[in-house]
Amino acid sequence: AQKITQTQPGMFVQEKEAVTLDCTYDTSDQSYGLFWYKQPSSGEMIFLIYQGSYDEQNATEGRYSLNFQKARKSANLVISASQLGDSAMYFCAMRGRAAGNKLTFGGGTRVLVKP
Amino acid sequence: NAGVTQTPKFRVLKTGQSMTLLCAQDMNHEYMYWYRQDPGMGLRLIHYSVGEGTTAKGEVPDGYNVSRLKKQNFLLGLESAAPSQTSVYFCASSLTRTGRTDTQYFGPGTRLTVL
Repeated sequence: AQKITQTQPGMFVQEKEAVTLDCTYDTSDQSYGLFWYKQPSSGEMIFLIYQGSYDEQNATEGRYSLNFQKARKSANLVISASQLGDSAMYFCAMRGRAAGNKLTFGGGTRVLVKP
Repeated sequence: NAGVTQTPKFRVLKTGQSMTLLCAQDMNHEYMYWYRQDPGMGLRLIHYSVGEGTTAKGEVPDGYNVSRLKKQNFLLGLESAAPSQTSVYFCASSLTRTGRTDTQYFGPGTRLTVL
């Protein structure tokens, strides 16, 4: 079985500052994928970034970067230079063979960016 | 390119009524998924499909049926709606189920209320 844990239910961040969202996972798989999604108040799920378990480099996509620490089984999302539009729920998810290659989501972290 | 679309966007049902949610994707993706999202929670997989004519159960399949008669469409049916099925339903699709191209892209969601 695989499990995703996001321990921060909500957090505030000042505009233009960086914020780190925690994500830890548990899996018996050697090969797996880690994803972050953003869900703004409008409700849609927006794909942000992907990290493969065998990727040697941490993934980056614009202002998003993933701090992947495989030995600690953590995949934290870093948002640099926060903007008001970053206010949203953020979900960490993983896909692994132990769960039939199905996506398992964490409970989410709500981020509010203050002006 | 519309991506993933869902109809309807909102629906209110009475207990015992039936309905079908339609998901369509124009990305020629092989895999399609139906999730539900309850307040304050991440997404849970209901059913999924690995190709035209095939479906499989996810984490919470009870009370739902699905069909994938055409590659681009994935239907979710509720035969006898119950208040416990009040939720937001998301459809997603992906090109593959492993590797970098297994990123799932989501539709805008359907908000269903069962009275």
